[in-house]
Amino acid sequence: GAGVSQSPSNKVTEKGKDVELRCDPISGHTALYWYRQSLGQGLEFLIYFQGNSAPDKSGLPSDRFSAERTGGSVSTLTIQRTQQEDSAVYLCASSLVVLYNEQFFGPGTRLTVL
Amino acid sequence: SQQGEEDPQALSIQEGENATMNCSYKTSINNLQWYRQNSGRGLVHLILIRSNEREKHSGRLRVTLDTSKKSSSLLITASRAADTASYFCATPQHDNQGGKLIFGQGTELSVKP
Repeated sequence: GAGVSQSPSNKVTEKGKDVELRCDPISGHTALYWYRQSLGQGLEFLIYFQGNSAPDKSGLPSDRFSAERTGGSVSTLTIQRTQQEDSAVYLCASSLVVLYNEQFFGPGTRLTVL
Repeated sequence: SQQGEEDPQALSIQEGENATMNCSYKTSINNLQWYRQNSGRGLVHLILIRSNEREKHSGRLRVTLDTSKKSSSLLITASRAADTASYFCATPQHDNQGGKLIFGQGTELSVKP
């Protein structure tokens, strides 16, 4: 497709379960970002991949969160042992080049942890 | 942490009026960007202004940047009901040209027909 896609669009899970969120960036975009948006915290950076460089994981809130990017394209954000405070919209974005950093966002995955 | 502070938090206007939103930031920047979000889902990039620019236009959008005051404004002229959305300013962390964007808390704009 022409834009960033994310799946699933909605995910409801029980506390303690693991979840995987997927992001397909725009073809050819070398940089990929994960953010999350929750009512109390606004838009928070989670992790950033750029080409073959080591990812910037500085925004991950705990070691229950991890992400990988396979083949420089698709990325998966994994949350282990989900907690209720993990409930949020998880947004993925990609950009063509790092310079000036205009980012193109996907529609997000709304995660609800019961 | 949030770098940008936006005001107002919410703005309600009539169709045809102009809407002005302000954003302040704390550290030096390479550029500042404005995004729009409908219904709490994906963000759409509106405009990017570089630190050596003072004003930029795109259609009905006008963005200004004052690096001495560390502030920016977004003006939407001749607003339409379809402009109803949340608007966020964002800056790359510090003066880095890449990596993460730091977002403001956003302004919720409501345009009444």
